[in-house]
Amino acid sequence: SQTIHQWPATLVQPVGSPLSLECTVEGTSNPNLYWYRQAAGRGLQLLFYSVGIGQISSEVPQNLSASRPQDRQFILSSKKLLLSDSGFYLCAGQGLGEAFFGQGTRLTVV
Amino acid sequence: GENVEQHPSTLSVQEGDSAVIKCTYSDSASNYFPWYKQELGKGPQLIIDIRSNVGEKKDQRIAVTLNKTAKHFSLHITETQPEDSAVYFCAASIGGGADGLTFGKGTHLIIQP
Repeated sequence: SQTIHQWPATLVQPVGSPLSLECTVEGTSNPNLYWYRQAAGRGLQLLFYSVGIGQISSEVPQNLSASRPQDRQFILSSKKLLLSDSGFYLCAGQGLGEAFFGQGTRLTVV
Repeated sequence: GENVEQHPSTLSVQEGDSAVIKCTYSDSASNYFPWYKQELGKGPQLIIDIRSNVGEKKDQRIAVTLNKTAKHFSLHITETQPEDSAVYFCAASIGGGADGLTFGKGTHLIIQP
């Protein structure tokens, strides 16, 4: 079965510090991969998607970046975190239509 | 791009009653419509999905209906139980397109004992 591993589950970081969230996929090859942010426990906002190694598309201008160094690895980064970067971040993969999600990372920037 | 509207934002029903959540979409090319259930502090989990060549799909107590002409689809949960309490998201996509799913804003379903 397809599985997304995402870590850490929670993270508290000071303003101005760097960020690296990692996501790995099992059970499928060459999936589309996504990073979503979920604010206030509700809507899912697409941040980045990738259709292959080294291919990143951004949906919204922001303080974050993404990279896909391997087929099953997707990384969300920031050089300097802002308070507004706080939120719940979800990695997702999509094979043949169905999307499957990781358990999310709760990021609090203080 | 695709736009998905979901209603209601909050739904409270008595245990044992039915719950219905409705979504509309804007892009007539969309042909895949999944529903996700998200429990507090966890990632969304797929509970049921439907493709555009089918009008209705059922899995035990949950069912999804699709009206392509009207561009709307609905989630039906019968005989609700306390463990059904969660946030539910509908989504739409064009055949698993590279830019993925467009989600509704979610419905917080509360099952009253």
